[in-house]
Amino acid sequence: GNSVTQMEGPVTLSEEAFLTINCTYTATGYPSLFWYVQYPGEGLQLLLKATKADDKGSNKGFEATYRKETTSFHLEKGSVQVSDSAVYFCALRSGGYKLSFGAGTTVTVRA
Amino acid sequence: DAGVTQSPTHLIKTRGQQVTLRCSPKSGHDTVSWYQQALGQGPQFIFQYYEEEERQRGNFPDRFSGHQFPNYSSELNVNALLLGDSALYLCASSWGTDFSLNTEAFFGQGTRLTVV
Repeated sequence: GNSVTQMEGPVTLSEEAFLTINCTYTATGYPSLFWYVQYPGEGLQLLLKATKADDKGSNKGFEATYRKETTSFHLEKGSVQVSDSAVYFCALRSGGYKLSFGAGTTVTVRA
Repeated sequence: DAGVTQSPTHLIKTRGQQVTLRCSPKSGHDTVSWYQQALGQGPQFIFQYYEEEERQRGNFPDRFSGHQFPNYSSELNVNALLLGDSALYLCASSWGTDFSLNTEAFFGQGTRLTVV
């Protein structure tokens, strides 16, 4: 079946630090890959997505590249801000309609 | 645009009771999915409704049932509540049936259910 494994948190960074959250997946077929973000007290918001191998999704300074050879979709941001503090979820969709999520990584950015 | 709205925001129920959660999709959306998010975990897919029918279901017991109305809004019903049903229940809406178009799912803020 489909599954997503992402880096365990929590992750604590200083402002302007570099952020990487690792995500690897197992899927049948050719999945679409997503990163969602959940700010405190809010629902999930789509951060970025990639639909085929070697695609790069980007948004708000975040980037992730769909690597089929390593079955990975790592999230990166070059310079984080306090406002980036949130829980980040890696997810995939393959062979159906449901999204399969990782367990989430809590990121805290300190001023 | 109101986005995806869910009600109530919080709910406390007793073991064995039944609960109904409600979701109104984003304007223009016709598909509703429900997810259960336990504390510290990622959301788990419960089921999806399209054209008033359940289109796909995750690994949840029959105590979890749903309904979609002609206006595309949806309800999630859980019978015989267990302590383990305590979670954040998220509704997501999207449009259409062709996922080759990679339609985005928009999530509501969720209903926090506590079973005591």
